[in-house]
Amino acid sequence: GNSVTQMEGPVTLSEEAFLTINCTYTATGYPSLFWYVQYPGEGLQLLLKATKADDKGSNKGFEATYRKETTSFHLEKGSVQVSDSAVYFCALSERQTGANNLFFGTGTRLTVIP
Amino acid sequence: NAGVTQTPKFQVLKTGQSMTLQCAQDMNHNSMYWYRQDPGMGLRLIYYSASEGTTDKGEVPNGYNVSRLNKREFSLRLESAAPSQTSVYFCASKGLAGENEQFFGPGTRLTVL
Repeated sequence: GNSVTQMEGPVTLSEEAFLTINCTYTATGYPSLFWYVQYPGEGLQLLLKATKADDKGSNKGFEATYRKETTSFHLEKGSVQVSDSAVYFCALSERQTGANNLFFGTGTRLTVIP
Repeated sequence: NAGVTQTPKFQVLKTGQSMTLQCAQDMNHNSMYWYRQDPGMGLRLIYYSASEGTTDKGEVPNGYNVSRLNKREFSLRLESAAPSQTSVYFCASKGLAGENEQFFGPGTRLTVL
């Protein structure tokens, strides 16, 4: 079946620190992989995605590389800001007829302190 | 272009009461979804509608019903609310079958006493 295992939080970092949030997945086929971000009181927003092996998704200074050999999609940012404080969700979607359902990890709460 | 909208934002129910959560999207998307978000469990799919006129169960459908009223609207109904249904509910939509990005609404926080 499909599942996503995500680094447990919460994570607290100082501003300008390096961020890594680990994500590994199990899938029966060739999934697309996503990172979604949820700011306080809001819905989820797509942060970045990768649709095939070795693709790198990037947005707002965040990056993640689709690693098929390690079934991983770790999120990184070189220098976090206070405004990056949010909950981050790793997710996968398998190509199938119809809805392409998303499978989510449990989320990692990031707090960045000045 | 409002994207995905949900009503209400907050709701408190007593055990056994019923209610309907409303969701609408103005992006002409084919697929729509209902998720619940619980602490430590991420988002879990309740029901989805791959296209207008079809609905299917997700991971946790028990205690819920859905209606795809038209292409824009997808409602979630709790016929007899239980405390275990206390959660934050998110609606999402997605465009063409070949695309896989989902767009989320702001959520409904439901408390069942």
